[in-house]
Amino acid sequence: EIVLTQSPVTLSLSPGERATLSCRASQSVGSYLAWYQQKPGQAPRLLIYYASIRAAGVPARFSGSGSGTDFTLTISSLDLEDFAIYFCQHRTTWPLTFGQGTRLDIK
Amino acid sequence: QVTLRESGPMLVKPTQTLTLTCTFSGFSLLTSGVAVGWIRQPPGKALECLALIYGDDNESFSPSLKGRLTVTKDTYKNKIVLTMTNLDPADTATYFCARHLDPSHAFDVWGPGTRVTVSS
Repeated sequence: EIVLTQSPVTLSLSPGERATLSCRASQSVGSYLAWYQQKPGQAPRLLIYYASIRAAGVPARFSGSGSGTDFTLTISSLDLEDFAIYFCQHRTTWPLTFGQGTRLDIK
Repeated sequence: QVTLRESGPMLVKPTQTLTLTCTFSGFSLLTSGVAVGWIRQPPGKALECLALIYGDDNESFSPSLKGRLTVTKDTYKNKIVLTMTNLDPADTATYFCARHLDPSHAFDVWGPGTRVTVSS
């Protein structure tokens, strides 16, 4: 099973700042890495797939990069609505797994 | 418009069997590369994919839960039923179903989730 480790666990930033979230895989997942945003009481929302492609309707301030084992989700300028939990997920081999999440808090 | 919705009991007793239904619209499971996944999230914890179901006989189940999970598909009525046996309090979670597309290798549309508590 491929383990996805996200860092940091919690990130405290202010609106307007840049956020950089990391996801590291225990073995290569190629570019088959997705990022999701989840707000309290809601289902996850797909942000990025295939490591760097924004899903439909996702603002341009969200970007993804990386390949192999190291991936990054960047939010260029935080909006109030961006404070949430972010998960990464791979789809290389079964079982498909998710990272443990990074909580993005308002500083 | 693609939608999915989970339904099932909110409370189940330990050792009982849980039956959850995912009803979806706006897409067909018979389309190549389309699947429906069941994902759960214990309170305050991470997501865990339980099963990934395609319209043909291609089905995958979580190794940690294999033997406890079965799926029934009604591809024409757009329903997928997940059955989990021998429930334990550790199975308390919100259960989601979501559409998975092979081209993106991701879950692009999710249901709102259904909260299941396992308690006597």
